[in-house]
Amino acid sequence: QKEVEQNSGPLSVPEGAIASLNCTYSDRGSQSFFWYRQYSGKSPELIMFIYSNGDKEDGRFTAQLNKASQYVSLLIRDSQPSDSATYLCAVTENNAGNMLTFGGGTRLMVKP
Amino acid sequence: GAVVSQHPSRVICKSGTSVKIECRSLDFQATTMFWYRQFPKQSLMLMATSNEGSKATYEQGVEKDKFLINHASLTLSTLTVTSAHPEDSSFYICSAKTGGSWTDTQYFGPGTRLTVL
Repeated sequence: QKEVEQNSGPLSVPEGAIASLNCTYSDRGSQSFFWYRQYSGKSPELIMFIYSNGDKEDGRFTAQLNKASQYVSLLIRDSQPSDSATYLCAVTENNAGNMLTFGGGTRLMVKP
Repeated sequence: GAVVSQHPSRVICKSGTSVKIECRSLDFQATTMFWYRQFPKQSLMLMATSNEGSKATYEQGVEKDKFLINHASLTLSTLTVTSAHPEDSSFYICSAKTGGSWTDTQYFGPGTRLTVL
């Protein structure tokens, strides 16, 4: 059974700090990796996706992928209170079905 | 990014009634749409994968006769919860892929909160 694991948190960081969110996955066949942000009562919104080992940067967000360790992370620089949300890691295999398997999410709290 | 809408956003119904939820891709054609369910403080659970013009593929444990899915066009999929019961109360979210490649991402609708009395 495919599993995606995240620490449920809450992860509390002060405003302006770097928030580091981690995710591990069990299926070595996983090929694409996604980070979604979900505010309470709302549906997930895509932040970033990454396919290749290494880092991918987009504004204040950096996704890091290490397929050998089956590990993907999301760094949020200069954290803002508006970043407070649940962050969902999702993975999918290399197939046209593109079915996402979600982790349980990490709740991030950025304190002013 | 791509826009996915859902209707209604919130519905309250009596036990035993049926509820239909619509999911539309507004600015792209979606060959594949997905239906998820999310209970409070839990992550999203995939219910079924819906391909235009064919029968939906249901995940293990999801009753296909209770959760009817119709993907009649490239921009519309519907989920009908038949004979709803209080335990069906949940947040139902659809998503749609922008293309047919595994590299295409999924975009989520805003969700429908169903409360069954």
